[in-house]
Amino acid sequence: AQKVTQAQTEISVVEKEDVTLDCVYETRDTTYYLFWYKQPPSGELVFLIRRNSFDEQNEISGRYSWNFQKSTSSFNFTITASQVVDSAVYFCALSESGANSKLTFGKGITLSVRP
Amino acid sequence: DAGITQSPRHKVTETGTPVTLRCHQTENHRYMYWYRQDPGHGLRLIHYSYGVKDTDKGEVSDGYSVSRSKTEDFLLTLESATSSQTSVYFCAISNLGGSEAFFGQGTRLTVV
Repeated sequence: AQKVTQAQTEISVVEKEDVTLDCVYETRDTTYYLFWYKQPPSGELVFLIRRNSFDEQNEISGRYSWNFQKSTSSFNFTITASQVVDSAVYFCALSESGANSKLTFGKGITLSVRP
Repeated sequence: DAGITQSPRHKVTETGTPVTLRCHQTENHRYMYWYRQDPGHGLRLIHYSYGVKDTDKGEVSDGYSVSRSKTEDFLLTLESATSSQTSVYFCAISNLGGSEAFFGQGTRLTVV
């Protein structure tokens, strides 16, 4: 069975600090997909990134970067120079191939960025 | 933004009453899902649909049923609401296997 673990539950940083959100996953499939979602205080779920299991290239998008390492089954998310607007709950999720795109979510990490 | 709307957005109901939540999409996506979000649990899959009249159970399906008679609509029914079903319910859609899911705004349901 697939599983996603986000061991950090709450992180608090001061604005402009860098912060890394950890995600560890378990799956027996060789083909799978990993995702990060953001849930700001307003409550909606915002898609951030999708990665398939065959693409281990790290990705950078502005202040956001993602590090995918199959050897450690991790898909970590780093925010550089954090801002107050980054305050949100962040979810990592996994979808297995042939699973009708069902997502298994971690429990989420609450990030608070203080001015 | 993906065209997906949930109704109602908020509902308070009494224990033992039936409740139906509606999810409507304008994207013609194949897959539709119902998740519930509870503190300390993240989001958990209740039921999902992979086509019209094709549905299956998720990990927390007890006490819930679903129907999908049209591509655009996916209904979640609580046959007899219980306090343990107080939660925030999210509908999601996706198109291709392995593609990202887009979520509705959520429905906050309180069972008193």
